Amino acid sequence: GAGVSQSPSNKVTEKGKDVELRCDPISGHTALYWYRQSLGQGLEFLIYFQGNSAPDKSGLPSDRFSAERTGGSVSTLTIQRTQQEDSAVYLCASSNRGSPLHFGNGTRLTVT
Amino acid sequence: KQEVTQIPAALSVPEGENLVLNCSFTDSAIYNLQWFRQDPGKGLTSLLLIQSSQREQTSGRLNASLDKSSGRSTLYIAASQPGDSATYLCAVRYLMNTGFQKLVFGTGTRLLVSP
Repeated sequence: GAGVSQSPSNKVTEKGKDVELRCDPISGHTALYWYRQSLGQGLEFLIYFQGNSAPDKSGLPSDRFSAERTGGSVSTLTIQRTQQEDSAVYLCASSNRGSPLHFGNGTRLTVT
Repeated sequence: KQEVTQIPAALSVPEGENLVLNCSFTDSAIYNLQWFRQDPGKGLTSLLLIQSSQREQTSGRLNASLDKSSGRSTLYIAASQPGDSATYLCAVRYLMNTGFQKLVFGTGTRLLVSP
């Protein structure tokens, strides 16, 4: 596709359930980032993938959060045993070195 | 610590005014700097990217400048329109020794342009 695609666009889940969020980056982009944005807040870095290197996981808030990037393309962010404080918009972005960063439209997660 | 600050946090202007948004960064060893806009409930849209070797970039009514030595970038919007109302974010990219690209975002300037 022409842009970064994220699915689902909205997800409502019950506290304690696991969720998977998907990001399909722009074809050929080697770098992929996950951020989250709580209501009225700035962007919080979660995890960064660069090519085949081990990801930078320094932003993951707890061990309930994990992410994979298969084949250097699609990425999945998994949140286990969701809590209400996990409610936020989860944004994915991709780029190549030196090129503009492009964001998807995000997944709005609501934990009830 | 690498920090990015944007001032003002909010700005309200009448339609037609020219305006300047500011972005300051503490570590001047940047790789590049990118300006985004974010509409409510939406993702971020890229506006302009300035490489570390460049002084400015222009796109339509937008002009972004970069002064690495003073750790500052400005986004100039000419002849503002109500459709320019959004939150504007700057993001500074650093290239680490590992080859990783670290991004640091500012907290944004919320702009409201009134008809």
